[in-house]
Amino acid sequence: AQKVTQAQTEISVVEKEDVTLDCVYETRDTTYYLFWYKQPPSGELVFLIRRNSFDEQNEISGRYSWNFQKSTSSFNFTITASQVVDSAVYFCARTSGSARQLTFGSGTQLTVLP
Amino acid sequence: EAGVAQSPRYKIIEKRQSVAFWCNPISGHATLYWYQQILGQGPKLLIQFQNNGVVDDSQLPKDRFSAERLKGVDSTLKIQPAKLEDSAVYLCASSADSPGGAQYFGPGTRLLVL
Repeated sequence: AQKVTQAQTEISVVEKEDVTLDCVYETRDTTYYLFWYKQPPSGELVFLIRRNSFDEQNEISGRYSWNFQKSTSSFNFTITASQVVDSAVYFCARTSGSARQLTFGSGTQLTVLP
Repeated sequence: EAGVAQSPRYKIIEKRQSVAFWCNPISGHATLYWYQQILGQGPKLLIQFQNNGVVDDSQLPKDRFSAERLKGVDSTLKIQPAKLEDSAVYLCASSADSPGGAQYFGPGTRLLVL
């Protein structure tokens, strides 16, 4: 199976620190999409970003930024100046096949301490 | 715009009983997904509908799980009979009919099988 690997199971930082969440994926597809989702304690998955495999430009949205490197099959997520409200489980996901099913990584639990 | 609605939010049953979950997707979203999320893991796709047709149900345990999406809107996922290992959060998601369209998730149904 083509996996999505989030090697960091848990990360703990102090508020205002920067933190990077790693994501490495496997794929045999030429065209695919990559996603990041946030799952706060309430349990609902919140969509953060989608990236097309042909677009390797990095993206910044407020305190969030994403670094997509096709050569290393990585799609890393950085939170700058972390806040307590950023505490959540973050999932990386990749589409596969013509029907674009999502395969999720196992998630990274981020805890931001005050 | 209303999000994906799911009910019930919580359900406790005994093994060998049956249970049903309901999902109402975002208005106009043609594609609907059911995921199973076991504690500590990423969501796993159970079934994907395009309008009222099944696109992928390869990971649905068909001996006990069934799903339908009548009229291409609401969907119901049923488990009969339930096993202890079915304890999980069942997430419904929907997406617009575009390649790699972002999936938007409902709040989920937490199922505990005793």
